[in-house]
Amino acid sequence: DTAVSQTPKYLVTQMGNDKSIKCEQNLGHDTMYWYKQDSKKFLKIMFSYNNKELIINETVPNRFSPKSPDKAHLNLHINSLELGDSAVYFCASSSIGTSRYEQYFGPGTRLTVT
Amino acid sequence: GEDVEQSLFLSVREGDSSVINCTYTDSSSTYLYWYKQEPGAGLQLLTYIFSNMDMKQDQRLTVLLNKKDKHLSLRIADTQTGDSAIYFCAESKGGGGNKLTFGTGTQLKVEL
Repeated sequence: DTAVSQTPKYLVTQMGNDKSIKCEQNLGHDTMYWYKQDSKKFLKIMFSYNNKELIINETVPNRFSPKSPDKAHLNLHINSLELGDSAVYFCASSSIGTSRYEQYFGPGTRLTVT
Repeated sequence: GEDVEQSLFLSVREGDSSVINCTYTDSSSTYLYWYKQEPGAGLQLLTYIFSNMDMKQDQRLTVLLNKKDKHLSLRIADTQTGDSAIYFCAESKGGGGNKLTFGTGTQLKVEL
């Protein structure tokens, strides 16, 4: 009965490669997010989708492209990976339409770029 | 702009109370949250408080909000070794995108 799930949990890849991270939520929420946690544990929002529509894009390089095929899924594709992309990426969801602003987070995907 | 600050470390003895503090700068913050992150794990929502509240209690957790001073605290009663983790406060304005702005995190260490 996992609420917010992400795959893969770990991702090790070389510079220049393209990779994707997938996120799914079964909470019936209408809004999903991607956050990045750096090596100092600092968390910052990257994107937010509400009902499959992009509503937040926080000065993230164009190499990062989120895609939301439906309300329950938000994937993150990263092109031409760089060393600085190494971080833990967290997906989250909430239900803005019902004014329930609690955000529930997935377990994270640890991306290591070598 | 938004800025959320926390002290980096807190060490307490098992059984004592822990108080983790957070200050924020944005007076339009509507919702304030506390998350717990254990090593190698995701973020667990512990509790949240609306800006029109002063206090919220949930079992061992007590959240105090001083809106005038933009100060939020989380008190954990009878702290246990399982409470050792990083605690993040976060704020949002609700509505729209409802993005969370996180604090820097406080590493809580509980000693026997």
